[in-house]
Amino acid sequence: DAGVTQSPTHLIKTRGQQVTLRCSPISGHKSVSWYQQVLGQGPQFIFQYYEKEERGRGNFPDRFSARQFPNYSSELNVNALLLGDSALYLCASSSISGYEAFFGQGTRLTVV
Amino acid sequence: QKEVEQDPGPLSVPEGAIVSLNCTYSNSAFQYFMWYRQYSRKGPELLMYTYSSGNKEDGRFTAQVDKSSKYISLFIRDSQPSDSATYLCAMKEDSSYKLIFGSGTRLLVRP
Repeated sequence: DAGVTQSPTHLIKTRGQQVTLRCSPISGHKSVSWYQQVLGQGPQFIFQYYEKEERGRGNFPDRFSARQFPNYSSELNVNALLLGDSALYLCASSSISGYEAFFGQGTRLTVV
Repeated sequence: QKEVEQDPGPLSVPEGAIVSLNCTYSNSAFQYFMWYRQYSRKGPELLMYTYSSGNKEDGRFTAQVDKSSKYISLFIRDSQPSDSATYLCAMKEDSSYKLIFGSGTRLLVRP
């Protein structure tokens, strides 16, 4: 069975640009969460979607937005990129809201 | 004060040693406790999860939760060089949707 897949794996953007990251959950999983992991730190919660509804949002500015599609895949959008947005962006899927979350390999975003 | 504290290490042990990794937390509402292993530049891999207090064993791995002390542990028996990675603890409240992570402990198992 395929695990959580994320695309792209690496991305370099310029300050002020916009970026879209994509995630496909494990088949049968209806919940998708997004996390940001800065080097040397643990992942920080950004969003959770369950059955296409936003269930929660972490302490991130409105430049961050997300959505979930009818097939349960998800996109994370970040506008007006800042140097501090450089991080590993992780997507996690679970069958029950937030419990036993399985992560993808992440998208490494570098903002220059 | 962070909700979840974890010693960053690095922790260096010889092959075959028993490894003890720990996290402390401040939120008594945490009910779900997880351990993830993360290799360099990869996503976290779920190793163990427990609900509430107690022990759980899976192969060479044992997870312990002591809610009275707000302290969780992961033990790795017969450690192997392939266990060299960063180990993240994560916790969740019963009614919450988000995982709260520690900052991770880097483990190095020397051949």
